[in-house]
Amino acid sequence: EDQVTQSPEALRLQEGESSSLNCSYTVSGLRGLFWYRQDPGKGPEFLFTLYSAGEEKEKERLKATLTKKESFLHITAPKPEDSATYLCAVRKTGTASKLTFGTGTRLQVTL
Amino acid sequence: NAGVTQTPKFRVLKTGQSMTLLCAQDMNHEYMYWYRQDPGMGLRLIHYSVGEGTTAKGEVPDGYNVSRLKKQNFLLGLESAAPSQTSVYFCASSNTGGPFFGPGTRLTVL
Repeated sequence: EDQVTQSPEALRLQEGESSSLNCSYTVSGLRGLFWYRQDPGKGPEFLFTLYSAGEEKEKERLKATLTKKESFLHITAPKPEDSATYLCAVRKTGTASKLTFGTGTRLQVTL
Repeated sequence: NAGVTQTPKFRVLKTGQSMTLLCAQDMNHEYMYWYRQDPGMGLRLIHYSVGEGTTAKGEVPDGYNVSRLKKQNFLLGLESAAPSQTSVYFCASSNTGGPFFGPGTRLTVL
């Protein structure tokens, strides 16, 4: 059975304090790992797709990396506006683009 | 482009009542999905569609029905609502990339 586990469940950082969020997965035939950001009361917002081990993608203060068993979302010098829940999801081959989601990491960045 | 829109934004039902949630997308996406999000459970797939006129069951399909008569629309129906269906419902659409999500419908079943 496909599994996606995110850690930690919640993370509190001070502004400028860099850290990483973890997404470990078990899936046969990975066809993409996805990161989303979700603000309270809103729908998930697409951030990145990673397809193969060793791949990295960056957007502003965020960098996503992928290995054969996990992905990391690195947040460099975060700001309060980076506070949100970050969701990880995987898609496997032959599944018509269906995603299996983790339960997310709630990030709070304080001044 | 409006992206993915959902109607209504909020709804309160009594047990046994029926309702339909409407999703529309203007990105010409082939795939459309309905997810529900519950605290501690993450997003779970209810039903999905790989193209106009097609539907398929996801992870938690019981108690729901769907229809995709037009490419841009995907309807989710609850025939007889139960308190266990209290949740936030998200519609999403995609082609080969990551799905784009709508703003959600918060449904409470009393």
